Amino acid sequence: SQKIEQNSEALNIQEGKTATLTCNYTNYSPAYLQWYRQDPGRGPVFLLLIRENEKEKRKERLKVTFDTTLKQSLFHITASQPADSATYLCAPYLNAGNNRKLIWGLGTSLAVNP
Amino acid sequence: EAGVAQSPRYKIIEKRQSVAFWCNPISGHATLYWYQQILGQGPKLLIQFQNNGVVDDSQLPKDRFSAERLKGVDSTLKIQPAKLEDSAVYLCASSLDSGTYNEQFFGPGTRLTVL
Repeated sequence: SQKIEQNSEALNIQEGKTATLTCNYTNYSPAYLQWYRQDPGRGPVFLLLIRENEKEKRKERLKVTFDTTLKQSLFHITASQPADSATYLCAPYLNAGNNRKLIWGLGTSLAVNP
Repeated sequence: EAGVAQSPRYKIIEKRQSVAFWCNPISGHATLYWYQQILGQGPKLLIQFQNNGVVDDSQLPKDRFSAERLKGVDSTLKIQPAKLEDSAVYLCASSLDSGTYNEQFFGPGTRLTVL
């Protein structure tokens, strides 16, 4: 079955540094992958989408890469701020016949310290 | 533009009782999703509607969970009877349609505690 693995431990970084979060997937080849942010007590909020034919996507201080050979996506936040502290969820899209949906990782908790 | 609305925000029940959750998606969104999120885990899709038809309910425990979207707008999710392991946050999301690349918009969720 499909499996998504994100950084298992929480990530603690200093304000101003770059945060890098990892998402590895196995047993399928997603046509695209989405990243979401989730704050405590709230639903996830969409951040970025990257397609299989795109190597890299940027939005302000966010950058996502997609390596279909390594079956991995990296999510970077540059010049991190305490307000970036949240859980980040990776969700590659499964498209297998009638089975079409996002498969969600467990999420990585990021804490940016002032 | 109003977001996805859910109610109640919190619910505490005893095991074997029944509970229902309500969701009103963003206006014009054809696709509606119900997810279960257990603490420390990612969302797990329970059921997906396209208008008022079910697209995917493969992970819905149909012996106790049911959901409907009768007029293709708002939706209810019911659990009857509840078990301790149903304690989780139930998230509703909507998207323009189920086509490729559509982002999902989530409501705030309903936190269910089963005692």
